[in-house]
Amino acid sequence: AQKITQTQPGMFVQEKEAVTLDCTYDTSDPSYGLFWYKQPSSGEMIFLIYQGSYDQQNATEGRYSLNFQKARKSANLVISASQLGDSAMYFCAMSYTLSGSGYSTLTFGKGTMLLVSP
Amino acid sequence: KAGVTQTPRYLIKTRGQQVTLSCSPISGHRSVSWYQQTPGQGLQFLFEYFSETQRNKGNFPGRFSGRQFSNSRSEMNVSTLELGDSALYLCASSLGQNSIGNTIYFGEGSWLTVV
Repeated sequence: AQKITQTQPGMFVQEKEAVTLDCTYDTSDPSYGLFWYKQPSSGEMIFLIYQGSYDQQNATEGRYSLNFQKARKSANLVISASQLGDSAMYFCAMSYTLSGSGYSTLTFGKGTMLLVSP
Repeated sequence: KAGVTQTPRYLIKTRGQQVTLSCSPISGHRSVSWYQQTPGQGLQFLFEYFSETQRNKGNFPGRFSGRQFSNSRSEMNVSTLELGDSALYLCASSLGQNSIGNTIYFGEGSWLTVV
């Protein structure tokens, strides 16, 4: 079964430092997508970055980059130069095709709470 | 362009009542899905609609239902509310039929408290 694992319940980082949030996934499908979302206390789920399983290069979006290691089935999020506003919950998610239906769905990890200190 | 809009943002209901939540996807997006988020269970998939058709449903009782209109706006309904239905309900939209390869955007969510 498809599964996302985020092993870090919480992470602390000082402002301006880089931080890596871990994500491993499990799937036997060759085609899938990997997402990272940020959820502040307000509840909104903010899209950060996307990586397709066939993408050769690691995805980058501003200060966010996704370290995609396909053989290890890992998709770690790297935030460079952390800011106070980065304090939030971060979710890794995977889209995959449901067997039999041909439609896809999204499954989430349990999240990592990131706290950025001055 | 406007993001995914969910209304209402906050609501309090009594056990046994029913509730309807609304979601307007990003303009041009035809796929809408709903998720329930609770501290204990995390994010759980409720259902997904594409072009007014429910394509996929999560493991929730029949009290949870939804629909999608021709303009892609979607509503979800929970009847006979229970205390355990208290949660953040998130709506997401994407452009195409398949979320693999399509970015999925979420709204701000609707916070439901059942008392």
